Amino acid sequence: DIQMTQSPSSLSASVGDRVTITCRASQSIATYLNWYQQKPGKAPKLLIYAASSLQSGVPSRFSGSGSGTDLTLTISSLQPEDFATYYCQQNYISPYTFGQGTKLEIK
Amino acid sequence: EVQLLESGGDLVQPGGSLRLSCAASGFTFGSYAMSWVRQAPGKGLEWVSAISGSGGTTNYADSVKGRFSISRDNPKSTLYLQMNRLRVEDTAVYYCAKDPSPIVVVTAIGADWGQGTLVTVSS
Repeated sequence: DIQMTQSPSSLSASVGDRVTITCRASQSIATYLNWYQQKPGKAPKLLIYAASSLQSGVPSRFSGSGSGTDLTLTISSLQPEDFATYYCQQNYISPYTFGQGTKLEIK
Repeated sequence: EVQLLESGGDLVQPGGSLRLSCAASGFTFGSYAMSWVRQAPGKGLEWVSAISGSGGTTNYADSVKGRFSISRDNPKSTLYLQMNRLRVEDTAVYYCAKDPSPIVVVTAIGADWGQGTLVTVSS
């Protein structure tokens, strides 16, 4: 199975900051990588699919990049509503594993 | 508007069985692959299973293979997860999720999600 490791596991940042979260796969997954945002008590929300495609309705401050084993999610200018937990997921091959999550907190 | 409504979560003893349902509306259900994803209390997301639009292709996480079975009833626009030989570690909120595009293959990308149903396995 492909293991997905996110870094950092937690992050403190301020409104307006630029933030990058990294997802490392245990083998190449090309660009079969998705990013989700989850707020407490809520279902996850798809932000980015296929590594860099922005899901409809998601603000353009969110972007994804990378391919192979190292992929990133960048939030260009943090807004108050962005403080949440973020997960990556590979859909290169089943089982379609998630990373352990990155909790983004207000500094 | 896409709507996914899970049901069937309950308290069950270890070794027991449970069937979850996900009632879908707002889209042509049979054209989309669907997935189940779970989240144990205070933990991260775990992909559980996926099924193609026709039902002909299914995939499972190693942790549930041989115990869980995914299926769908397209005329009823309903997704199911039959869970047998339940373990304490199966305790979680179970979400159903819809693929983003009506294509033949399973992508397991969760474009739309239900609100989840809680399964508690405990004696």
